[in-house]
Amino acid sequence: KQEVTQIPAALSVPEGENLVLNCSFTDSAIYNLQWFRQDPGKGLTSLLLIQSSQREQTSGRLNASLDKSSGRSTLYIAASQPGDSATYLCAVYSGTYKYIFGTGTRLKVLA
Amino acid sequence: EPEVTQTPSHQVTQMGQEVILRCVPISNHLYFYWYRQILGQKVEFLVSFYNNEISEKSEIFDDQFSVERPDGSNFTLKIRSTKLEDSAMYFCASSRYGNAGELFFGEGSRLTVL
Repeated sequence: KQEVTQIPAALSVPEGENLVLNCSFTDSAIYNLQWFRQDPGKGLTSLLLIQSSQREQTSGRLNASLDKSSGRSTLYIAASQPGDSATYLCAVYSGTYKYIFGTGTRLKVLA
Repeated sequence: EPEVTQTPSHQVTQMGQEVILRCVPISNHLYFYWYRQILGQKVEFLVSFYNNEISEKSEIFDDQFSVERPDGSNFTLKIRSTKLEDSAMYFCASSRYGNAGELFFGEGSRLTVL
């Protein structure tokens, strides 16, 4: 059974810092992994999708990497801003018609 | 930009009542999902739907739940007899492809059962 864990659960950083969020999954047989952002009381916004054949994806200040063999993905946020404050979720798709979500990392960027 | 839309945004109901949550997926998407998130907890899979039938469902999705795609645009989740523990945010999602598809979520429907 696929299990997805995110560390740390919460993170508070000063504005301008580069930071790394971690996502681990127990079954390496995945098709893709997706990172989302969730603002309080809101839906999930897709940030990056990494296919199993890819090692990384970039969008603006965000870079996500994938190491399938070790069951890990990282989301790198460069030059963090207060507007980046949100919960970040990773989800893996293992071919069973469902994405399994991690527990999330609550990020607060202080001005 | 195409988006997934959900109605209502918030519904309050009495325990034992039936509730229908509605979703309009992105128009060219083929795979549809319902997830829920109890306050402060993780996003949990309920059910996936493709080609007018359920592809996968979780243990949460018991006989009280059902899904339907009554026409070419709507995708609904029905809870027949709500319980207090059904109080949660319910998210609809859709993707164009299965294995390789990017998942797009709606803003959610908050269900409060009294």
